[in-house]
Amino acid sequence: NAGVTQTPKFRILKIGQSMTLQCTQDMNHNYMYWYRQDPGMGLKLIYYSVGAGITDKGEVPNGYNVSRSTTEDFPLRLELAAPSQTSVYFCASSTRQGNYGYTFGSGTRLTVV
Amino acid sequence: TQLLEQSPQFLSIQEGENLTVYCNSSSVFSSLQWYRQEPGEGPVLLVTVVTGGEVKKLKRLTFQFGDARKDSSLHITAAQPGDTGLYLCAGVPGTYKYIFGTGTRLKVLA
Repeated sequence: NAGVTQTPKFRILKIGQSMTLQCTQDMNHNYMYWYRQDPGMGLKLIYYSVGAGITDKGEVPNGYNVSRSTTEDFPLRLELAAPSQTSVYFCASSTRQGNYGYTFGSGTRLTVV
Repeated sequence: TQLLEQSPQFLSIQEGENLTVYCNSSSVFSSLQWYRQEPGEGPVLLVTVVTGGEVKKLKRLTFQFGDARKDSSLHITAAQPGDTGLYLCAGVPGTYKYIFGTGTRLKVLA
């Protein structure tokens, strides 16, 4: 049982380039999330999804886009990368509302130069 | 905006010492969770506390939820190098979008 899988693990982008961070889960969770974690900071929510075909903005959505065509996959798209997007990105999923906790992937470390 | 502040931000202690990490908010949460994150990995759920005043123990870790459900603490007894990591609290406001704290980075020296 793989849980939440993120690829790639590391990536260096040049300013203005685009890329997609992949996230897939095999737990049949309805809820999926993208967070970024900057040094010395907590987790900030970028986008989330409550099910296939439904997405919504979180706290810091600018410069990002998402789609959710299947229950399993929730890719995050960066358009026109900027140095401010240098961060570690985590995808997470949960089974339902409330107290059941998130399962996180192992993260993607992105550097924009 | 709901915020969760953790203190201290950084903690470096010797093996065998005890420590307490605090998680405070002005908002009420339906429950609160604690996660531990090791370098290069995502956070892993340690515990969920639901009832005001609740105390949960996980081996040498003791978690408490404040009576008013606005704060929580994590106490580690006889810390070990394996406890090293980033500890995050997360408030559950009753929906699926958790509010994460600012984190406490713990280093336990052998």
